[in-house]
Amino acid sequence: AQTVTQSQPEMSVQEAETVTLSCTYDTSENNYYLFWYKQPPSRQMILVIRQEAYKQQNATENRFSVNFQKAAKSFSLKISDSQLGDTAMYFCAFMKPLGSNYQLIWGAGTKLIIKP
Amino acid sequence: GAGVSQTPSNKVTEKGKYVELRCDPISGHTALYWYRQSLGQGPEFLIYFQGTGAADDSGLPNDRFFAVRPEGSVSTLKIQRTERGDSAVYLCASSVQGGDPNEQFFGPGTRLTVL
Repeated sequence: AQTVTQSQPEMSVQEAETVTLSCTYDTSENNYYLFWYKQPPSRQMILVIRQEAYKQQNATENRFSVNFQKAAKSFSLKISDSQLGDTAMYFCAFMKPLGSNYQLIWGAGTKLIIKP
Repeated sequence: GAGVSQTPSNKVTEKGKYVELRCDPISGHTALYWYRQSLGQGPEFLIYFQGTGAADDSGLPNDRFFAVRPEGSVSTLKIQRTERGDSAVYLCASSVQGGDPNEQFFGPGTRLTVL
């Protein structure tokens, strides 16, 4: 069974600093997808960035980038020039399609606080 | 609507009561997922619909939980004889089948509190 581990329950940085959130996962599969979601107090899950396991190049979305290490089963999120609006829970998630079922398997989350 | 909506936003009930939670997916999204998020944890998969049928209900914790999607759009999650351990945020997500199935769009969730 696949599992996702986020070892940092909470992190706090100053505005404009760079922060890295860790995520490791366990799977015997070769083809899968990895995601980072943001959940602000409004509870709405928002997709931040995603990575296909078959792609060696790390995904980047503006200030957000990942460090995907397939052999180490590691998928960290780097947020550059952090902003107050980045304050939220961040969840790492794994997806291995089972037929048409694309269910997500989630980590426990990291609470990120950006201080002014 | 523009996004996934869920009603009610909050639901408080007493132990042993029956509750229904509603999800309105994005128009045209044929895939619909229910997840449960307990306090301080990540979401856990409950059930997946493809159209009107429950294609995978392996995440439902027991037979007190049931979900329907009779017309392939709105879905209702039903919980009978609620227990305090059912207290959680129930999230619904929808996605396009055949388009980009990897992107699931989430609603704001329903926070269920069982007293």
